[in-house]
Amino acid sequence: EPEVTQTPSHQVTQMGQEVILRCVPISNHLYFYWYRQILGQKVEFLVSFYNNEISEKSEIFDDQFSVERPDGSNFTLKIRSTKLEDSAMYFCASSERTPPYNEQFFGPGTRLTVL
Amino acid sequence: QKEVEQNSGPLSVPEGAIASLNCTYSDRGSQSFFWYRQYSGKSPELIMFIYSNGDKEDGRFTAQLNKASQYVSLLIRDSQPSDSATYLCAVLGVFGGYQKVTFGTGTKLQVIP
Repeated sequence: EPEVTQTPSHQVTQMGQEVILRCVPISNHLYFYWYRQILGQKVEFLVSFYNNEISEKSEIFDDQFSVERPDGSNFTLKIRSTKLEDSAMYFCASSERTPPYNEQFFGPGTRLTVL
Repeated sequence: QKEVEQNSGPLSVPEGAIASLNCTYSDRGSQSFFWYRQYSGKSPELIMFIYSNGDKEDGRFTAQLNKASQYVSLLIRDSQPSDSATYLCAVLGVFGGYQKVTFGTGTKLQVIP
């Protein structure tokens, strides 16, 4: 069964460093998302992406964040200058259908630890 | 009112019983409702979605939606110890001025053998 994949599974970085989290969505999906989950807290929406542009972004997704689909398969989240509070699980999700009837399937996540 | 609200639990049920999980949401115009299961340290796994008022059944799971009451629930029949997890209610609506899927904090379910 097709699934969303993410790399790396765990990323440790120093405060102020740039990180890139990578995702490979399910191959026929057209809608892509990033979420984060701080330990013990709820899953929070960061950004949605369709047709090579951002559709929606949350207040969390400030100028330090960017997303890109550099080729036909990868979808990346870049954090330019990491802060301690960026430590969280980051989940990529993808969907085949147009909102609002769009079930989203999550990848296994990348645990980001900022020291 | 919180955007998506769930009782954090834990909800404890004996094996074989029906588990009932509830969720309310604030955006009356919301159109899509999802239930995810999340095991500790793992990613959310989609188990049910519902778009129309009424009931939707899939195996041991039934989702119930009442848009007038802004209420969605998940019933798990014949609960098994493997169902022990946190169940996340997620709603696609306009929250904070833009469209997004908003998650509740989740209800922790414990199925006692």
